Amino acid sequence: QVQLVQSGAEVKKPGASVKVSCKASGYTFTGYYMHWVRQAPGQGLEWMGWINPNSGGTNYAQKFQGRVTMTRDTSISTAYMELSRLRSDDTAVYYCARIRRYSSSWYRGFDYWGQGTLVTVSS
Amino acid sequence: DIQMTQSPSSLSASVGDRVTITCQASQDISNYLNWYQQKPGKAPKLLIYDASNLETGVPSRFSGSGSGTDFTFTISSLQPEDIATYYCQQYDNLLLITFGQGTRLEIK
Repeated sequence: QVQLVQSGAEVKKPGASVKVSCKASGYTFTGYYMHWVRQAPGQGLEWMGWINPNSGGTNYAQKFQGRVTMTRDTSISTAYMELSRLRSDDTAVYYCARIRRYSSSWYRGFDYWGQGTLVTVSS
Repeated sequence: DIQMTQSPSSLSASVGDRVTITCQASQDISNYLNWYQQKPGKAPKLLIYDASNLETGVPSRFSGSGSGTDFTFTISSLQPEDIATYYCQQYDNLLLITFGQGTRLEIK
């Protein structure tokens, strides 16, 4: 069965970086794009960007450009999201979610999500 | 950027009620609109994709409609387990995905 298993909770100081992992299983890792979405406490969902695990190509939301880096290791079917220069308002649960791309469109939405990783930024 | 305006932000209804949530896009997104359900402490779950298609395994009391800029999500007969927050999501653009603000659904 398809699973996306994320790394555990992190506590970081302002200005530090955090790297969250998302290990995929039960499907062909390179066949689906991996997106990252975050959710601040009591707030809505905020899309951060995606990585194409096949090529390593990335696309980031403008808000995070310059601070976020998405990578992958195909040998272990794992995607990573690193956020640098952390601020207190980066405190959130970070999710990975997969989606298939079909030609020039996405296909059928984010059908599987990771369990979420809480990142707390506090001095 | 495509903005998604979802309403209402919260909703209280009784078991068995018909519940409707709307989502309006700031520009034409064809049918590239999905609906998710999120329960407290859990990841979102895909319910409806491409505006009106029911995801596999999702109960048929959930439905979606619309195209262009105006979309509707409906629960035909509210059940206690439907208490959650619901989000619309546009994915018309490969480079930009946006979510609505969410609708918190409570039992009256």
